[in-house]
Order: sequence, then structure tokens, then C-alpha cells
Amino acid sequence: AQSVTQLDSHVSVSEGTPVLLRCNYSSSYSPSLFWYVQHPNKGLQLLLKYTSAATLVKGINGFEAEFKKSETSFHLTKPSAHMSDAAEYFCVVSEGNSGGYQKVTFGTGTKLQVIP
Amino acid sequence: DGGITQSPKYLFRKEGQNVTLSCEQNLNHDAMYWYRQDPGQGLRLIYYSQIVNDFQKGDIAEGYSVSREKKESFPLTVTSAQKNPTAFYLCASSIESGTYSNQPQHFGDGTRLSIL
Repeated sequence: AQSVTQLDSHVSVSEGTPVLLRCNYSSSYSPSLFWYVQHPNKGLQLLLKYTSAATLVKGINGFEAEFKKSETSFHLTKPSAHMSDAAEYFCVVSEGNSGGYQKVTFGTGTKLQVIP
Repeated sequence: DGGITQSPKYLFRKEGQNVTLSCEQNLNHDAMYWYRQDPGQGLRLIYYSQIVNDFQKGDIAEGYSVSREKKESFPLTVTSAQKNPTAFYLCASSIESGTYSNQPQHFGDGTRLSIL
């Protein structure tokens, strides 16, 4: 069975400082991993995805994530936070199964606050 | 631009009433999904459909029903049997749902349902 754990429900950073949002996962197979961002009363927007190619994945808006199989982690980082980064972030694991269905599991989300 | 349109943005339900949430996509995606989002719980899958005229229950299907008569449309009905329907409902689609787990889901902007 697959699962996702986002280790912090809230993270607060000052504008211009680095961002680290932590995600650990478990999966029976070789999973695909995603990070999405959600602004208030909006849908989820894809930031980046890992699909067994390069372990360091670059996404939109300066975000990147590193897949570490030995640590079963997929942490999201950004060198310098911007006010517009304040939102909720979701780590997602996905794997196919024998039933032909893409099983997707969402983390419970991390709310990022950016202080001016 | 291609995307997913959910309507209405806000919806109110009276006791004993069924309400239907609309979801339309013009991305030519085969697979469509309905999620429920509650604070602190991430997204939970209600129903999904891999092809027209076929759909499957997700993790929390009780009190909900769907149809998939057209590729572009996947409406969700919240029935009176759903005793706690207040939530944010998100519709998503992906290119295909088979054993290919690396396809990201694209999301609409959601419908917020409240009880009168």
C-alpha cells in the first residue's frame, strides 16, 4: 500500500529566505511523485513531477525537489521565498496497479506562510 | 486554452435535496476524477472514470453518484444520503488512467458546497 506523509502542516519563512517542505512516501512499486500548489479557493496546480528519470527535478516558479530512494523522501525546496509563494502545497504519490487504475494518494498538505 | 471548468463556484443545499456539480474538460483526457477536500485531510477520491459510460467508486463514494455519458463531462450528484456534504469539491482529469502512473492530473477551480 502506498502512503504519503507531509511532515509539517505549517511552515513560516521570511521573504527572500529558503523554503523547505518535507515529504516522505511509501510505495510497493516504482512510484511517480508530484508536488502541487493550491491557492485559496482554487484548484491544484502542478509544480513538478518525478517519473524515474533525473532524481533532481526542476519545476515552475523556481521550485525543485530531489528524489531520495534510500530515504523515501521527496522534499520541495526553493532558494528564495516570494510573497506569491504563500499557499498550500501537496505531495502526491502515484502508481499503476494490475487493475489498470492509476492509484493516487495525496498528502495532507503544508501551508506555507511568507513573512514580509 | 484547454482546461477544466467546474460550476457553480458556490452551491447551497437544503435538507433532503440532491444537488449536481458540473465538470467539463476540453483537454481530450480519457480519465476524470472527483475529490472531496476537507481542512487538514488532503484530497479524498469519490469516483473516477477511465472511459465513457464507465466509472468506479473511490474511497468515499457513499451518498454520491456520477455519470459519464460524454468524454468531456463528468457531473457529480450529492444526494440527500450524504449527511455531511459541506466541503470543497475538486474535479480532475488525466490523459489516461491505465498502468501509466506518471501522468499528472489537471484540476478545476472547485465548487464549495454548504448546507443551508
